[in-house]
Amino acid sequence: EAGVAQSPRYKIIEKRQSVAFWCNPISGHATLYWYQQILGQGPKLLIQFQNNGVVDDSQLPKDRFSAERLKGVDSTLKIQPAKLEDSAVYLCASSLITSYEQYFGPGTRLTVT
Amino acid sequence: AQSVTQPDIHITVSEGASLELRCNYSYGATPYLFWYVQSPGQGLQLLLKYFSGDTLVQGIKGFEAEFKRSQSSFNLRKPSVHWSDAAEYFCAVDAGGTSYGKLTFGQGTILTVHP
Repeated sequence: EAGVAQSPRYKIIEKRQSVAFWCNPISGHATLYWYQQILGQGPKLLIQFQNNGVVDDSQLPKDRFSAERLKGVDSTLKIQPAKLEDSAVYLCASSLITSYEQYFGPGTRLTVT
Repeated sequence: AQSVTQPDIHITVSEGASLELRCNYSYGATPYLFWYVQSPGQGLQLLLKYFSGDTLVQGIKGFEAEFKRSQSSFNLRKPSVHWSDAAEYFCAVDAGGTSYGKLTFGQGTILTVHP
């Protein structure tokens, strides 16, 4: 069974530029999550989707971050414009709608200079 | 506020020695509890979970964890550590209910294994 796929794996941008990350969840997983993991910290949930609807985006900085999950499968997380403090690993996870178990992708390491 | 605390930022053990990583949580009721492991450049892999029932749970790679309600703890243990266990370990909590699916993580414990 294929795991959660993410791309790119690494990205370096200058502040005020925009960037987008892509996630493809495990087939059949209706729930998708985006986490931000700053160096030295545990992951922090940014947004949770169920199918193509948003369940929780209370911790998403909506002035610069956006996310979508068209067709209830793949998802894209965008940052525009990026700030230095956005440097982090962005993790995508997915789960079955009936399960508490989340499966994580390898993450995208973003460096903002 | 709900929180998860891993008191030890960095632990060093010798290969073959026993290991215990601590995790304490602050929630109103018994949450769903998880331990994840993260190797450098990798995503998080689920080691084990506790939802209910037997308070001693077995996981992959020879790990186990014990839920102690009276201490609000969910410590991870392994009787004999292997060099390949060197990684960062995260305790996480899902409060369930209306917070279903919203994992709150501790800050992590980095494990170094000496030969």
